Amino acid sequence: GAVVSQHPSWVICKSGTSVKIECRSLDFQATTMFWYRQFPKQSLMLMATSNEGSKATYEQGVEKDKFLINHASLTLSTLTVTSAHPEDSSFYICSARRLDTQYFGPGTRLTVL
Amino acid sequence: RKEVEQDPGPFNVPEGATVAFNCTYSNSASQSFFWYRQDCRKEPKLLMSVYSSGNEDGRFTAQLNRASQYISLLIRDSKLSDSATYLCAVNRGASNTGKLIFGQGTTLQVKP
Repeated sequence: GAVVSQHPSWVICKSGTSVKIECRSLDFQATTMFWYRQFPKQSLMLMATSNEGSKATYEQGVEKDKFLINHASLTLSTLTVTSAHPEDSSFYICSARRLDTQYFGPGTRLTVL
Repeated sequence: RKEVEQDPGPFNVPEGATVAFNCTYSNSASQSFFWYRQDCRKEPKLLMSVYSSGNEDGRFTAQLNRASQYISLLIRDSKLSDSATYLCAVNRGASNTGKLIFGQGTTLQVKP
């Protein structure tokens, strides 16, 4: 099956710093990728849709200035959590769409101290 | 009302048991439905898509009831390795946008 990678797999940072998470589709091109967030014992919440070559579309309640998304190529989307705070600590997962199937990356666990 | 709802469980069953999960969705225009399996601290992995006529994959059977707006997953002959959280996912809206809305997940614990 298709492979999606994420980097880093985990990160610990101080409050106020920015963190960039990369999502790559390794063996296919993805014009659309999705970013999800999952808090402990909760479900995945769709944050935004990343579109190659155009602006991302954000779900209601997700601050676009805080969660910057860049989809500069057909195989890479990045999510930057700006000025991270402890409440941003979560499991961030990307997915890339190939035909009608979504393939998920392994996730990035962010801990903000 | 949440867009997709599941009973979080946990469901504790003995090996060999049959267990069923339901998931309800609120948007009657939704067209695509899926069951994912998520192990602790891992990403979700697609278990199966759910088709209108129902579909089976080995010990797993998925059903869709459009009239009542729910999907179900039946696991027969449970194995210890089936212990995980099962997430239902619904494509938001009538068109296949790829935007998946997930339920809270149902935790299954299969015991020897």
